Amino acid sequence: QKEVEQDPGPLSVPEGAIVSLNCTYSNSAFQYFMWYRQYSRKGPELLMYTYSSGNKEDGRFTAQVDKSSKYISLFIRDSQPSDSATYLCAMRENQGGKLIFGQGTELSVKP
Amino acid sequence: DAGVTQSPTHLIKTRGQQVTLRCSPKSGHDTVSWYQQALGQGPQFIFQYYEEEERQRGNFPDRFSGHQFPNYSSELNVNALLLGDSALYLCASSLGGYSYEQYFGPGTRLTVT
Repeated sequence: QKEVEQDPGPLSVPEGAIVSLNCTYSNSAFQYFMWYRQYSRKGPELLMYTYSSGNKEDGRFTAQVDKSSKYISLFIRDSQPSDSATYLCAMRENQGGKLIFGQGTELSVKP
Repeated sequence: DAGVTQSPTHLIKTRGQQVTLRCSPKSGHDTVSWYQQALGQGPQFIFQYYEEEERQRGNFPDRFSGHQFPNYSSELNVNALLLGDSALYLCASSLGGYSYEQYFGPGTRLTVT
């Protein structure tokens, strides 16, 4: 079993829809939770991070962490065609530089 | 402000050969991590360099080695290439040894034939 599980999709939604992306994990030592966006043929770009449990909002993006369920989510409101990319969740223990990534979910937002 | 840069962009090698990939971190960053991303998969951690030493290592064989220079730039070396080493190799830089904020470069696409 992988430490981090993420549905690879692909996920296709119409412009303006609310998108929900999710990851589950098995390692209870994870304390930092990140979401990266990766466009085709580019490196991952850090979107948001959350420390421990809770919610964090940044513009159209909201990240949620539920440590009791070992479940994290990223919501995108008013989705735009420019949001079409692969979204990767990543996690890290309190110490150490190693990020553990999910497989990534491919998102397509249709005009 | 220059971001993370990597060279070369693409590389084609034959099984058994050796390859060296290069990375320059974002200005002001002193830590470099290397990841391997196979097609359709998330990046996998290879190792991290801080203060010119390998600080942490993932589950990769000794064929994968690295180096960090005094100017914080880094190299990834892979010996005895296998077909399965074909992947996108990503370099990420950060400030301090254990920062969660890692900024990725565009990657080097390695194809082993």
